[in-house]
Amino acid sequence: GAGVSQSPRYKVAKRGQDVALRCDPISGHVSLFWYQQALGQGPEFLTYFQNEAQLDKSGLPSDRFFAERPEGSVSTLKIQRTQQEDSAVYLCASSLGAGEKLFFGSGTQLSVL
Amino acid sequence: DAKTTQPPSMDCAEGRAANLPCNHSTISGNEYVYWYRQIHSQGPQYIIHGLKNNETNEMASLIITEDRKSSTLILPHATLRDTAVYYCIVRVVYTGTASKLTFGTGTRLQVTL
Repeated sequence: GAGVSQSPRYKVAKRGQDVALRCDPISGHVSLFWYQQALGQGPEFLTYFQNEAQLDKSGLPSDRFFAERPEGSVSTLKIQRTQQEDSAVYLCASSLGAGEKLFFGSGTQLSVL
Repeated sequence: DAKTTQPPSMDCAEGRAANLPCNHSTISGNEYVYWYRQIHSQGPQYIIHGLKNNETNEMASLIITEDRKSSTLILPHATLRDTAVYYCIVRVVYTGTASKLTFGTGTRLQVTL
């Protein structure tokens, strides 16, 4: 596609529910990043993939957060037993290689009630 | 990655040049200066980056001081569509390894009529 695509655009979840957020990177992009952005703040790094390998997951806030990219293309960020503090915009970005500029999607806005 | 300091907000009249400063006094020799912007409800968008020389592209110019401790992003003729949060980021760039972006809180630029 022309850019990074994320779905759904908006997600409302009840506290305790599991959610899955999808990211379709730009075709051929090796690197994929997930970020979390709270209201009024800059994006915060969650995790990074190079192809299917998750090379850095230092930003995941708890073991309720899990990300995968099994075939080195589409990625899914899963949040188990959602809490109100998980409410944020989740941004996905991809780049041609590790040191290249990042292209971001429009994000998924998650609201946990 | 080195920390950056930016003013929280700035105003600019449409058609005038917008000059956005950034301080990165602890930058290392192998760190680049990157600028991204985020328009409301969108993901961050790459603008420009540089190491030590001034850079120009179709969007903006980047002026880096000789000691590399500060830089200025210049939008030569600001329009209402340039209203956004502008992030200055310093980033180590390697090939073949993860190189995430670490965002601060940025400068909110308001372009007015």
